[in-house]
Amino acid sequence: KAGVTQTPRYLIKTRGQQVTLSCSPISGHRSVSWYQQTPGQGLQFLFEYFSETQRNKGNFPGRFSGRQFSNSRSEMNVSTLELGDSALYLCASSGYNEQFFGPGTRLTVL
Amino acid sequence: KQEVTQIPAALSVPEGENLVLNCSFTDSAIYNLQWFRQDPGKGLTSLLLIQSSQREQTSGRLNASLDKSSGRSTLYIAASQPGDSATYLCAVSSSGGSNYKLTFGKGTLLTVNP
Repeated sequence: KAGVTQTPRYLIKTRGQQVTLSCSPISGHRSVSWYQQTPGQGLQFLFEYFSETQRNKGNFPGRFSGRQFSNSRSEMNVSTLELGDSALYLCASSGYNEQFFGPGTRLTVL
Repeated sequence: KQEVTQIPAALSVPEGENLVLNCSFTDSAIYNLQWFRQDPGKGLTSLLLIQSSQREQTSGRLNASLDKSSGRSTLYIAASQPGDSATYLCAVSSSGGSNYKLTFGKGTLLTVNP
């Protein structure tokens, strides 16, 4: 069974730009969650989608948004990038209880 | 608000030693607790999942325990190997809300020296 895949793996953007990250969950999993990992704050929950609906949202500004498609693939978008958005963005999929993480997308904002 | 703390922040041990990593959480109303491993620059690998009704889980050389009433979990690693070197993260999902929202500790950086 293929694991969680995330694309792209690395991104370099400049301040003010926007970015879209993609996540494909494990086949059969309907829940996709997104997390931001930084050295200072650690891992922080962004949002969770289930059957194309956002079920939960963390404490992030509205510049961070996401969506989920009918095949459970998910995208997250960050608009008007700031230097502080530089982080490893991790996606997790879940079928029931356990969460399985992808390799992450490393975003660098210059 | 759920808070998760992991002690110690870093640990260095010689190969072959048994070790214990600690995790504590402030709100005992959890749905489950999960231990992960993270290698530098990589994603998270799930090690063990303990449901709130369980006391422990075992996988190979790993054993995780859960004491929900005291808000504590431990990860025991037997006969440590250099390949165990990584950051170990503890995460809880809280009952009453989304079971899929994990609150993470800051992790324990483990180094096993040959």
